[in-house]
Amino acid sequence: AQTVTQSQPEMSVQEAETVTLSCTYDTSESDYYLFWYKQPPSRQMILVIRQEAYKQQNATENRFSVNFQKAAKSFSLKISDSQLGDAAMYFCAYRNPDSNYQLIWGAGTKLIIKP
Amino acid sequence: DTEVTQTPKHLVMGMTNKKSLKCEQHMGHRAMYWYKQKAKKPPELMFVYSYEKLSINESVPSRFSPECPNSSLLNLHLHALQPEDSALYLCASSQEGHLGNQPQHFGDGTRLSIL
Repeated sequence: AQTVTQSQPEMSVQEAETVTLSCTYDTSESDYYLFWYKQPPSRQMILVIRQEAYKQQNATENRFSVNFQKAAKSFSLKISDSQLGDAAMYFCAYRNPDSNYQLIWGAGTKLIIKP
Repeated sequence: DTEVTQTPKHLVMGMTNKKSLKCEQHMGHRAMYWYKQKAKKPPELMFVYSYEKLSINESVPSRFSPECPNSSLLNLHLHALQPEDSALYLCASSQEGHLGNQPQHFGDGTRLSIL
């Protein structure tokens, strides 16, 4: 069975600095999809970035980028120029292409931004 | 602004009450989801509707009854809930088909408290 591990329950970073959140997963599949979601105190789960396993190029969305290491089964999220609005729970999620619906979620990392 | 709208935002009910949670999306998505989320935990999938038909029921107790009246609406009917059912209930939607990289779009959730 696939599993997703986020080993950092909480991380803190100074405003304007860079922080990296880790995510590892276990799967025997070669084709799959990975996502990072953000959930601020306002509660809405917001997609931050996604990565297709068949793509070697790391996904980037403005200040957010991933370091996708397929062989190591690692999918870390880098946030550059951290802003106060980045404070949230960050969840890593995996989806098998055979399942359009079910996401396997990590336990989450709480990100604190220090002003 | 969220594209998935959930009402009410907060709900307090007794164990003998009957209430309903509502979810609406107008993105043309044909898959809709209900999740239960406890504090600081990832969401737990409850139900999935695909083309208005129940596709997945994750062994949810019968006191939770989902309904999909049309492709834009999703309801969750509640009856005789227990205190442990107190949680944030999230609705999500996504495109159907073979686009496995299509993300789920979430609403703001309903914070449910059972007295």
